[in-house]
Amino acid sequence: SYELTQPPSVSVSPGQTASITCSGDKLGSKYACWYQQRPGQSPMLVIYQDTKRPSGIPERFSGSNSGNTATLTIGGTQTMDEADYYCQAWDDTTAVFGGGTKLTVL
Amino acid sequence: QLQLQESGPGLVRPSETLSLTCTVSGASFRSNTDYWGWIRQPPGKGLEWIGSISYSGSTYYNPSLKSRVTISVDTSKNEFSLKLDSVIAADTAAYHCARLSYGSGKQFYGMDVWGQGTTVTVSS
Repeated sequence: SYELTQPPSVSVSPGQTASITCSGDKLGSKYACWYQQRPGQSPMLVIYQDTKRPSGIPERFSGSNSGNTATLTIGGTQTMDEADYYCQAWDDTTAVFGGGTKLTVL
Repeated sequence: QLQLQESGPGLVRPSETLSLTCTVSGASFRSNTDYWGWIRQPPGKGLEWIGSISYSGSTYYNPSLKSRVTISVDTSKNEFSLKLDSVIAADTAAYHCARLSYGSGKQFYGMDVWGQGTTVTVSS
């Protein structure tokens, strides 16, 4: 079965840039989505089709996808960005999520 | 504004069937492109896609759960439902329903609307 691998945790200082990676075999040939989940809340879509932001998502959230790695980048990270982040892609008709990355802003 | 709300028992006994319903409100449920899905999250763990269904009833299931899962749709009630048979303790999780948004060319636009989730505990 297809797997997506994320680092368990990433730390960043407020105002700095955070990068969260998601690795999978030939992931660059698929589209990746990213979801933010704050504690006690439901996930929220922040990036779809590798690079696109849904309405209402701040411009500081951006994405890229090439080769075997998709990356979520948060520029000028704010304390409100502290959350778990999940990547997701499709393996044929099966939706696959990465294991999640806890972003700590300190 | 589209809203999704999960409902169902919070406690299910081992070997029994877990049944949940997701009620869709605030926008048209009758989309020719979108799918409606179930995703679960065990306590302290990550997200797992269970399966999805279209308005017309086409389904896709996670292969790891396919033998135990049935997702159905009731268009007259703007609802879709999840049944998970023969549950075990490992099925204890928060269960979320979500809209899987697609474009007219079947481009996937993400799981863009989520319910608040409902916690189901499997225990005797």
